[in-house]
Amino acid sequence: DQQVKQNSPSLSVQEGRISILNCDYTNSMFDYFLWYKKYPAEGPTFLISISSIKDKNEDGRFTVFLNKSAKHLSLHIVPSQPGDSAVYFCAASALGWGNEKLTFGTGTRLTIIP
Amino acid sequence: GAVVSQHPSWVICKSGTSVKIECRSLDFQATTMFWYRQFPKQSLMLMATSNEGSKATYEQGVEKDKFLINHASLTLSTLTVTSAHPEDSSFYICSARGRKGILGNQPQHFGDGTRLSIL
Repeated sequence: DQQVKQNSPSLSVQEGRISILNCDYTNSMFDYFLWYKKYPAEGPTFLISISSIKDKNEDGRFTVFLNKSAKHLSLHIVPSQPGDSAVYFCAASALGWGNEKLTFGTGTRLTIIP
Repeated sequence: GAVVSQHPSWVICKSGTSVKIECRSLDFQATTMFWYRQFPKQSLMLMATSNEGSKATYEQGVEKDKFLINHASLTLSTLTVTSAHPEDSSFYICSARGRKGILGNQPQHFGDGTRLSIL
């Protein structure tokens, strides 16, 4: 049972435009969400997170939006740069329930076209 | 940002040997460390959670006698794959999480992983 889903395995975006990566979840106990970026043969790098008490969190070029009623979150990258090309994973946990375990999506490979 | 060092990055060994992987938090105290496994083209799957000074909590289906975890200090956790067999070949990644700070929850920070190949 895949509790965190990233339905787009890949996405190509022109440099300078906005990249939007989507993630859906099914477990209503999830209350803390994170986005990680991963290059081949490296571990995931933390990008940005959001708690369920918020619906938006912004950090530089990265903004995460959370729609709790739809159980959906998205990561916006603007403007997109060639160095953003990587695999992006969303992850969720139920911290408020004392569960630190991260459940990951299957990832979306983002390619920025120069 | 927070740095987590994982060593070795790549191991090739014969079937039946034991392999130890180290995970260190270099610039923060990790109250909790996590060990993940990733198969090709799949997501990261949590194997176990370890808190400093206590026994690790293993996920369902993970053999605790096969994958020994030691979290002896706030900056070091080790995963030992005992009597490794070809089916244990995989990419193992650790992560570390510090104490909850004044800004709220702390994210997990990951090492660069260890690619284990058992012949």
